[in-house]
Amino acid sequence: GEDVEQSLFLSVREGDSSVINCTYTDSSSTYLYWYKQEPGAGLQLLTYIFSNMDMKQDQRLTVLLNKKDKHLSLRIADTQTGDSAIYFCARMDSSYKLIFGSGTRLLVRP
Amino acid sequence: GAVVSQHPSRVICKSGTSVKIECRSLDFQATTMFWYRQFPKQSLMLMATSNEGSKATYEQGVEKDKFLINHASLTLSTLTVTSAHPEDSSFYICSAILSTGTSGADTQYFGPGTRLTVL
Repeated sequence: GEDVEQSLFLSVREGDSSVINCTYTDSSSTYLYWYKQEPGAGLQLLTYIFSNMDMKQDQRLTVLLNKKDKHLSLRIADTQTGDSAIYFCARMDSSYKLIFGSGTRLLVRP
Repeated sequence: GAVVSQHPSRVICKSGTSVKIECRSLDFQATTMFWYRQFPKQSLMLMATSNEGSKATYEQGVEKDKFLINHASLTLSTLTVTSAHPEDSSFYICSAILSTGTSGADTQYFGPGTRLTVL
Protein backbone atom coordinates (compact mmCIF):
# COMPACT_ATOMS: atom_id res chain seq x y z
CA GLY A 1 0.00 0.00 0.00
CA GLU A 2 0.89 3.66 -0.03
CA ASP A 3 3.27 5.09 2.56
CA VAL A 4 0.67 7.49 3.96
CA GLU A 5 -3.02 6.74 3.45
CA GLN A 6 -6.15 8.76 4.01
CA SER A 7 -9.79 8.35 3.20
CA LEU A 8 -10.74 10.49 0.24
CA PHE A 9 -13.91 12.19 1.37
CA LEU A 10 -15.77 13.22 4.51
CA SER A 11 -19.08 15.06 4.77
CA VAL A 12 -20.36 16.50 8.04
CA ARG A 13 -23.07 18.88 9.15
CA GLU A 14 -22.11 22.32 10.40
CA GLY A 15 -21.61 22.27 14.17
CA ASP A 16 -20.73 18.58 14.29
CA SER A 17 -17.25 17.24 14.90
CA SER A 18 -15.12 16.00 12.01
CA VAL A 19 -12.58 13.24 12.36
CA ILE A 20 -10.06 12.71 9.58
CA ASN A 21 -7.96 9.59 9.77
CA CYS A 22 -4.50 8.78 8.47
CA THR A 23 -2.29 5.71 8.57
CA TYR A 24 1.39 5.45 7.76
CA THR A 25 3.86 2.65 7.38
CA ASP A 26 7.22 4.04 8.51
CA SER A 27 7.50 3.86 12.27
CA SER A 28 10.70 5.93 12.25
CA SER A 29 8.76 9.11 11.46
CA THR A 30 9.57 11.74 14.06
CA TYR A 31 7.03 14.39 13.22
CA LEU A 32 3.56 14.08 11.75
CA TYR A 33 1.68 17.01 10.30
CA TRP A 34 -1.75 18.13 9.25
CA TYR A 35 -2.07 20.67 6.46
CA LYS A 36 -5.16 22.36 5.03
CA GLN A 37 -5.51 23.32 1.39
CA GLU A 38 -8.29 25.53 0.10
CA PRO A 39 -9.10 25.62 -3.64
CA GLY A 40 -6.34 27.15 -5.71
CA ALA A 41 -4.16 27.86 -2.70
CA GLY A 42 -1.05 26.51 -1.09
CA LEU A 43 -0.91 24.44 2.07
CA GLN A 44 -1.56 25.90 5.47
CA LEU A 45 0.07 24.19 8.42
CA LEU A 46 -2.60 23.38 10.96
CA THR A 47 -0.69 21.45 13.55
CA TYR A 48 2.00 18.87 14.08
CA ILE A 49 2.74 16.24 16.66
CA PHE A 50 5.98 14.70 17.77
CA SER A 51 6.08 10.92 17.70
CA ASN A 52 6.51 10.58 21.45
CA MET A 53 3.22 12.36 22.09
CA ASP A 54 -0.22 10.75 22.18
CA MET A 55 -2.35 13.82 21.86
CA LYS A 56 -2.10 17.49 21.10
CA GLN A 57 -4.92 20.01 21.33
CA ASP A 58 -4.99 23.46 19.82
CA GLN A 59 -8.30 25.30 20.10
CA ARG A 60 -10.80 23.37 17.94
CA LEU A 61 -8.18 20.92 16.70
CA THR A 62 -7.22 17.71 18.46
CA VAL A 63 -4.58 15.37 17.09
CA LEU A 64 -4.41 11.80 18.32
CA LEU A 65 -1.45 9.56 17.58
CA ASN A 66 -1.42 5.80 18.06
CA LYS A 67 2.17 4.96 17.36
CA LYS A 68 1.67 1.23 17.82
CA ASP A 69 -0.98 1.14 15.11
CA LYS A 70 0.69 3.94 13.09
CA HIS A 71 -2.60 5.82 13.08
CA LEU A 72 -3.04 9.57 13.22
CA SER A 73 -6.31 11.46 13.43
CA LEU A 74 -7.41 15.07 13.31
CA ARG A 75 -10.59 16.06 15.09
CA ILE A 76 -12.18 19.40 14.31
CA ALA A 77 -14.74 20.43 16.90
CA ASP A 78 -17.76 22.54 15.96
CA THR A 79 -16.99 22.26 12.26
CA GLN A 80 -17.79 25.38 10.26
CA THR A 81 -18.43 25.88 6.54
CA GLY A 82 -15.07 27.64 6.38
CA ASP A 83 -13.43 24.37 7.34
CA SER A 84 -14.40 22.87 3.98
CA ALA A 85 -11.10 22.09 2.28
CA ILE A 86 -8.69 19.28 1.58
CA TYR A 87 -6.73 18.06 4.58
CA PHE A 88 -3.36 16.42 4.09
CA CYS A 89 -1.63 14.21 6.57
CA ALA A 90 2.16 14.11 6.19
CA ARG A 91 5.14 12.59 7.90
CA MET A 92 8.68 13.89 7.86
CA ASP A 93 11.45 11.53 6.90
CA SER A 94 15.09 11.71 7.94
CA SER A 95 15.92 14.09 5.08
CA TYR A 96 13.30 16.65 6.16
CA LYS A 97 11.18 15.55 3.21
CA LEU A 98 7.46 15.45 3.74
CA ILE A 99 5.62 12.36 2.58
CA PHE A 100 2.01 13.28 1.97
CA GLY A 101 -1.18 11.30 2.01
CA SER A 102 -3.61 11.66 -0.85
CA GLY A 103 -5.71 14.20 1.03
CA THR A 104 -9.20 14.06 2.51
CA ARG A 105 -11.80 16.37 1.05
CA LEU A 106 -13.97 17.70 3.88
CA LEU A 107 -17.38 19.04 2.94
CA VAL A 108 -19.32 20.88 5.63
CA ARG A 109 -23.05 21.05 4.96
CA PRO A 110 -25.01 23.99 6.36
CA GLY B 1 5.67 34.92 11.01
CA ALA B 2 6.83 32.11 8.71
CA VAL B 3 5.40 33.50 5.50
CA VAL B 4 6.43 32.09 2.15
CA SER B 5 5.51 33.87 -1.05
CA GLN B 6 5.55 32.77 -4.67
CA HIS B 7 5.59 34.81 -7.80
CA PRO B 8 3.81 34.76 -10.12
CA SER B 9 0.61 33.26 -8.80
CA ARG B 10 -0.56 32.37 -12.28
CA VAL B 11 1.20 32.23 -15.63
CA ILE B 12 0.10 31.28 -19.11
CA CYS B 13 2.79 30.74 -21.72
CA LYS B 14 3.27 29.34 -25.18
CA SER B 15 4.80 25.94 -25.77
CA GLY B 16 8.57 26.10 -26.07
CA THR B 17 9.08 29.10 -23.82
CA SER B 18 10.72 29.10 -20.40
CA VAL B 19 9.03 30.19 -17.21
CA LYS B 20 10.67 31.22 -13.93
CA ILE B 21 8.86 30.87 -10.63
CA GLU B 22 10.20 32.54 -7.49
CA CYS B 23 9.81 31.31 -3.93
CA ARG B 24 10.70 33.66 -1.08
CA SER B 25 10.75 33.24 2.67
CA LEU B 26 9.64 36.69 3.81
CA ASP B 27 10.45 36.77 7.50
CA PHE B 28 12.95 33.99 8.02
CA GLN B 29 16.00 32.48 6.40
CA ALA B 30 15.70 29.08 4.84
CA THR B 31 18.73 27.02 3.93
CA THR B 32 16.42 24.36 2.54
CA MET B 33 13.44 24.82 0.29
CA PHE B 34 11.38 22.25 -1.57
CA TRP B 35 9.54 22.31 -4.88
CA TYR B 36 6.38 20.29 -5.34
CA ARG B 37 4.04 19.68 -8.21
CA GLN B 38 0.35 19.03 -7.75
CA PHE B 39 -2.02 17.71 -10.39
CA PRO B 40 -5.76 18.36 -10.06
CA LYS B 41 -7.34 16.48 -7.18
CA GLN B 42 -4.07 14.79 -6.34
CA SER B 43 -1.52 15.02 -3.61
CA LEU B 44 1.75 16.90 -3.77
CA MET B 45 4.64 15.28 -5.55
CA LEU B 46 8.09 16.32 -4.37
CA MET B 47 10.22 17.38 -7.33
CA ALA B 48 13.43 18.52 -5.70
CA THR B 49 15.17 19.76 -2.61
CA SER B 50 16.82 23.15 -3.00
CA ASN B 51 19.80 23.90 -0.77
CA GLU B 52 21.26 27.37 -0.51
CA GLY B 53 24.65 27.57 -2.15
CA SER B 54 24.65 24.06 -3.57
CA LYS B 55 23.05 22.01 -6.30
CA ALA B 56 19.49 20.89 -5.94
CA THR B 57 18.68 17.27 -5.26
CA TYR B 58 16.08 15.93 -7.66
CA GLU B 59 13.63 13.13 -7.01
CA GLN B 60 13.64 10.10 -9.21
CA GLY B 61 11.97 10.73 -12.54
CA VAL B 62 12.30 14.53 -12.43
CA GLU B 63 14.39 15.94 -15.28
CA LYS B 64 16.96 18.30 -13.81
CA ASP B 65 17.67 19.89 -17.19
CA LYS B 66 14.02 20.72 -17.63
CA PHE B 67 13.35 21.99 -14.13
CA LEU B 68 16.25 24.24 -13.22
CA ILE B 69 16.51 25.20 -9.57
CA ASN B 70 18.65 27.98 -8.18
CA HIS B 71 18.88 28.79 -4.47
CA ALA B 72 21.14 31.80 -4.53
CA SER B 73 20.25 33.28 -1.15
CA LEU B 74 18.78 32.24 2.16
CA THR B 75 15.42 33.75 1.23
CA LEU B 76 15.04 32.97 -2.46
CA SER B 77 14.79 29.85 -4.57
CA THR B 78 13.75 29.85 -8.22
CA LEU B 79 12.33 27.11 -10.41
CA THR B 80 12.68 27.56 -14.16
CA VAL B 81 10.61 25.33 -16.40
CA THR B 82 12.60 25.25 -19.62
CA SER B 83 11.01 24.68 -23.03
CA ALA B 84 7.63 24.23 -21.43
CA HIS B 85 5.08 21.93 -23.00
CA PRO B 86 1.37 21.43 -22.28
CA GLU B 87 2.12 18.40 -20.11
CA ASP B 88 4.08 20.70 -17.77
CA SER B 89 0.87 22.53 -16.95
CA SER B 90 0.35 22.07 -13.25
CA PHE B 91 0.23 23.74 -9.86
CA TYR B 92 3.74 24.28 -8.52
CA ILE B 93 4.17 24.82 -4.80
CA CYS B 94 7.31 25.62 -2.87
CA SER B 95 8.00 25.27 0.81
CA ALA B 96 10.72 26.48 3.14
CA ILE B 97 11.96 24.94 6.32
CA LEU B 98 11.82 27.04 9.44
CA SER B 99 14.19 25.70 12.04
CA THR B 100 12.67 26.35 15.43
CA GLY B 101 15.86 25.67 17.32
CA THR B 102 14.86 24.83 20.86
CA SER B 103 11.72 22.89 20.09
CA GLY B 104 13.42 20.77 17.48
CA ALA B 105 10.46 20.79 15.15
CA ASP B 106 11.69 21.86 11.75
CA THR B 107 8.47 22.78 10.06
CA GLN B 108 7.81 23.30 6.38
CA TYR B 109 5.82 26.37 5.47
CA PHE B 110 4.27 26.49 2.04
CA GLY B 111 3.90 29.18 -0.54
CA PRO B 112 0.50 29.88 -2.12
CA GLY B 113 1.40 28.07 -5.32
CA THR B 114 1.83 29.02 -8.97
CA ARG B 115 -0.62 27.81 -11.58
CA LEU B 116 1.24 27.21 -14.85
CA THR B 117 -0.71 26.75 -18.06
CA VAL B 118 1.21 25.96 -21.22
CA LEU B 119 -0.71 26.44 -24.44
